[in-house]
Amino acid sequence: GAVVSQHPSWVICKSGTSVKIECRSLDFQATTMFWYRQFPKQSLMLMATSNEGSKATYEQGVEKDKFLINHASLTLSTLTVTSAHPEDSSFYICSARAGERREQFFGPGTRLTVL
Amino acid sequence: DAKTTQPPSMECAEGRAANLPCNHSTISGNEYVYWYRQIHSQGPQYIIHGLKNNETNEMASLIITEDRKSSTLILPHATLRDTAVYYCIVRGGYGQNFVFGPGTRLSVLP
Repeated sequence: GAVVSQHPSWVICKSGTSVKIECRSLDFQATTMFWYRQFPKQSLMLMATSNEGSKATYEQGVEKDKFLINHASLTLSTLTVTSAHPEDSSFYICSARAGERREQFFGPGTRLTVL
Repeated sequence: DAKTTQPPSMECAEGRAANLPCNHSTISGNEYVYWYRQIHSQGPQYIIHGLKNNETNEMASLIITEDRKSSTLILPHATLRDTAVYYCIVRGGYGQNFVFGPGTRLSVLP
């Protein structure tokens, strides 16, 4: 299957700081990328969908000014958690899909801990 | 909301076949059935997908009932590394997103 990478794999930051997470499709062009969040013992929850060169579409209840998404190229999307607080601590997972394929491939996830 | 129903947990002996059921009674004609699994603290891994015909790949087989209201994922020879949460997802066209339910936690026992 296609490979999606995320960086960093884990990050610890102080409350009030901003954290950027990168998501890359390594061997295909991702026309659409998705960002999910997963709290302990819960399932994945979609946060937003982004198409290359367009503004992201956010799910209800997700603050677009807090979770900034940039999908500047067909192989890179970034999620920036601005002014992070302890309640933002979670497992963030990106996913990518190539336009002609039905499968959606997921990155390994980034564990964010806000102190 | 997820369009599928799965048992919350299952156990399987190592080396035996693991049969994971999924109900999707409201599936519509253009919706595919996808299976993913998530090993602890990792991103979901694609397993297989199908529309109405049974499918097989190197990882698993997918059996879809004729009325398409349910399906079964079969891991033919489960190993300890197959211990994971398995998600059955129904999705239609490219514009639709994957909605993850709670999945089935499969424990493969030695």
